[in-house]
Amino acid sequence: EAQVTQNPRYLITVTGKKLTVTCSQNMNHEYMSWYRQDPGLGLRQIYYSMNVEVTDKGDVPEGYKVSRKEKRNFPLILESPSPNQTSLYFCASSFSGHEQFFGPGTRLTVL
Amino acid sequence: KQEVTQIPAALSVPEGENLVLNCSFTDSAIYNLQWFRQDPGKGLTSLLLIQSSQREQTSGRLNASLDKSSGRSTLYIAASQPGDSATYLCAVMETSYDKVIFGPGTSLSVIP
Repeated sequence: EAQVTQNPRYLITVTGKKLTVTCSQNMNHEYMSWYRQDPGLGLRQIYYSMNVEVTDKGDVPEGYKVSRKEKRNFPLILESPSPNQTSLYFCASSFSGHEQFFGPGTRLTVL
Repeated sequence: KQEVTQIPAALSVPEGENLVLNCSFTDSAIYNLQWFRQDPGKGLTSLLLIQSSQREQTSGRLNASLDKSSGRSTLYIAASQPGDSATYLCAVMETSYDKVIFGPGTSLSVIP
């Protein structure tokens, strides 16, 4: 089944404890992206990747890191999480310039 | 800087009505525009994608149009059903490998 998977789906952590949210797709898509969704602010792009080893900042990249070492994986790294990074995170993938497919989301709470 | 808006923010209609959701963007230099639906607490489901060279796309009871010159897209839903109740989001991509900007969404409620 063609899909985008994210892990974990739910995470509660404490300020400053490094964490990684994984994202994987099995559709051989070049383009992958991370978004966060917050009430009243909508969906905002954090980082995106056009292909392996090629990444660029979205609108809200501060406090996040990404890497794209393999085509299928695009992990989101929070080196020192803070409470303002409490949010619902989505990963998405697509062929370049085409329909994006979204993962199920990761609900992160930073205490 | 590209900005995407959606009107109305919320809409409540009786079952069976045809309805139109609006999406506006400030910079007409877009590569494509995509419509999604999101159910409460769930992820996004793609509905329709319109490339910049296209005027409209249709899928079942859904029809999306695009007018780049005026910076507008509409999503038409025919014969609405309670199962259509969700938040509808539009998103623009400015080039084939570029940023994606989402609108704030329209919350639709279809009353049986």
